[in-house]
Amino acid sequence: AQKVTQAQTEISVVEKEDVTLDCVYETRDTTYYLFWYKQPPSGELVFLIRRNSFDEQNEISGRYSWNFQKSTSSFNFTITASQVVDSAVYFCALSEAWYKLSFGAGTTVTVRA
Amino acid sequence: GAVVSQHPSWVICKSGTSVKIECRSLDFQATTMFWYRQFPKQSLMLMATSNEGSKATYEQGVEKDKFLINHASLTLSTLTVTSAHPEDSSFYICSARELGRETQYFGPGTRLLVL
Repeated sequence: AQKVTQAQTEISVVEKEDVTLDCVYETRDTTYYLFWYKQPPSGELVFLIRRNSFDEQNEISGRYSWNFQKSTSSFNFTITASQVVDSAVYFCALSEAWYKLSFGAGTTVTVRA
Repeated sequence: GAVVSQHPSWVICKSGTSVKIECRSLDFQATTMFWYRQFPKQSLMLMATSNEGSKATYEQGVEKDKFLINHASLTLSTLTVTSAHPEDSSFYICSARELGRETQYFGPGTRLLVL
């Protein structure tokens, strides 16, 4: 069974528009971590944000913000005022026991100038 | 931030040869390293978990005799693809985790093409 679901396959926006990426996860653990990673065309995965299951406080970090809701098992991620350099594949990931990551299928974001 | 390197970044080899990929944590000690495989336009699939000084734990369906993993020090893990075949062609990515920390930091990946 898929532990992390990213329903959006591709999103295309014009520069300066906001982009929200959806992520729904499934776990029976009470302690877990959620991550967002970015994979630009070069291939390297870049860590963006992390949240643990006990902290539902939503924050903003620069142009990034996230909305973690345990009640709906969702961990959505928003890029504000998108830029061309934000074009990449974004992965949501869940870490349960032994720190193993389960990745979603990824959402390809294309930001057009 | 934590830096993880991989070498080589690209490798092309003939079918039947073995290929070794190195993963290094440059500015921290990685008690655990992970190896992932990614096919084009697909997600990352965990192959194995390695802890320094012990045998790697392989995910279901991953042949341990095919993909040899060694984690001999706190900064180096190696993945050897033995007797590589064209179906082993893929993007291999390692990640490293420091003791007591939850975040995995990823290397830049190695693209393997087996002819």
